[in-house]
Amino acid sequence: RKEVEQDPGPFNVPEGATVAFNCTYSNSASQSFFWYRQDCRKEPKLLMSVYSSGNEDGRFTAQLNRASQYISLLIRDSKLSDSATYLCVVRDFGNEKLTFGTGTRLTIIP
Amino acid sequence: EPEVTQTPSHQVTQMGQEVILRCVPISNHLYFYWYRQILGQKVEFLVSFYNNEISEKSEIFDDQFSVERPDGSNFTLKIRSTKLEDSAMYFCVTVGQGNTGELFFGEGSRLTVL
Repeated sequence: RKEVEQDPGPFNVPEGATVAFNCTYSNSASQSFFWYRQDCRKEPKLLMSVYSSGNEDGRFTAQLNRASQYISLLIRDSKLSDSATYLCVVRDFGNEKLTFGTGTRLTIIP
Repeated sequence: EPEVTQTPSHQVTQMGQEVILRCVPISNHLYFYWYRQILGQKVEFLVSFYNNEISEKSEIFDDQFSVERPDGSNFTLKIRSTKLEDSAMYFCVTVGQGNTGELFFGEGSRLTVL
């Protein structure tokens, strides 16, 4: 089983729609969770950290389910500028290594 | 905003040549990483570096790879004898104290091996 697994997409979504991504991780000792976005041929940029209680930043909501070992990202009222690849990133307890998912490619259609 | 600086932005080299990729981390950061991303694939961990030594490395990081921080500022990744499959974007990543903070990515160095 892959350490961090995401649906690669692509997701083609009309502007204004709501889109949700899920990510599963295999190591129950994982401690920190993040969503990054990556534009084509650019470096990943932090979108938001994911906390156990769930957190929201504007149109973006992230949730963590430790029991089921999955993380979700919800984007509401999607904009054209949301088109990117969304990376799920996990850091394990006592281990500095970061593990990236393959990324989910999102295209917002006008 | 503090940033991680990487050079060169793009390097083209012949197979078998040595390559050195350089990174200037954010000044008070303690944890440094190199990751790579082959075009169209996921970001892969290469090596982590803390307190002037390697703390973990992946299977990819074989004897052809080395890292060092010779002058306390630059953090370098050396590939001794490049192979075609080393063609990728190499990202330097740093993290501040506590290792629970935000990851700071450099813009990457694109390596093309011919």
